[in-house]
Amino acid sequence: DIQMTQSPSSVSASVGDRVTITCRASQGISSWLAWYQQKPGRAPKLLIYTASSLQSGVPSRFSGSGSGTDFTLTISSLQPEDFATYYCQQANSFPYTFGQGTKLEIK
Amino acid sequence: QLQLQESGPGLVKPSETLSLTCSVSGGSISSTNYYWGWIRRPPGKGLEWIGNIYYSGTTYYNPSLKSRVTISVDTSKNQFSLRLSSVTAADTAVYYCARLGAPRKFEYWGQGTLVTVSS
Repeated sequence: DIQMTQSPSSVSASVGDRVTITCRASQGISSWLAWYQQKPGRAPKLLIYTASSLQSGVPSRFSGSGSGTDFTLTISSLQPEDFATYYCQQANSFPYTFGQGTKLEIK
Repeated sequence: QLQLQESGPGLVKPSETLSLTCSVSGGSISSTNYYWGWIRRPPGKGLEWIGNIYYSGTTYYNPSLKSRVTISVDTSKNQFSLRLSSVTAADTAVYYCARLGAPRKFEYWGQGTLVTVSS
C-alpha cells in the first residue's frame, strides 16, 4: 500500500494568514492526488484533484501543487469557514489511501 | 443535483454482519462515467477507503478488508450496498458512500452514518 504522510498534524493560524499543508507519498503517484476538507459532523468536501485542479465551486484561495511524491495544499488568506481538518488522498493505485489529516485551528 | 444517502442499522453486535445501503438521487447509478465507493472514518482516526463498484458489478476492495467485504449494486433501485462480516469494535466508524468521477475524484458524498459495534 502507498502510505500518505501529512505535515503538520495540526496548525494554528489567524484569519488572513497564508497556510501550507504538505503531503508525502511513500512512492511516486504522478499527479493522482486529491485534497479534502472535513468539518465536524460533515462529509468530506473535495477541494483539489489531480494535485492542482480546483474543484468547481471551491474558492480560488485554495491551491494545490506537486507531483511524484511531494504535494502541498495552500490557503492564501484564511477565512473563518476554513478552520477544519484537511486530508490528502492518493488515487494512483488501489487501495486508495488517505493521509492522517491536518487539523487547522484558530489562533 | 446528485445526492447520496446512507441507510442501515446504527448498532451491530460483534461477529455479526454490518449492512448499509446508499441511495442515489438526481443521477443514474448506471452511468458509464462513474464508480461508486464506500469510505469510513473510525472515531478519532482518519479516513479509510473500503472499496468501489461499477454499475456492471466490477469491484475493487481494500485488501485489509477484502475477506470480509462485499459491495453490490442494484441498478433497478439506483442503490449500492456494503456488507461487512464478522465485525468487531474496530469496525465502529462513520460510513460514507461517495461517487468517484473522472479523473479519480470523490466529488459527491453522502452525509455519513455512524455504525457502532457493541453487544
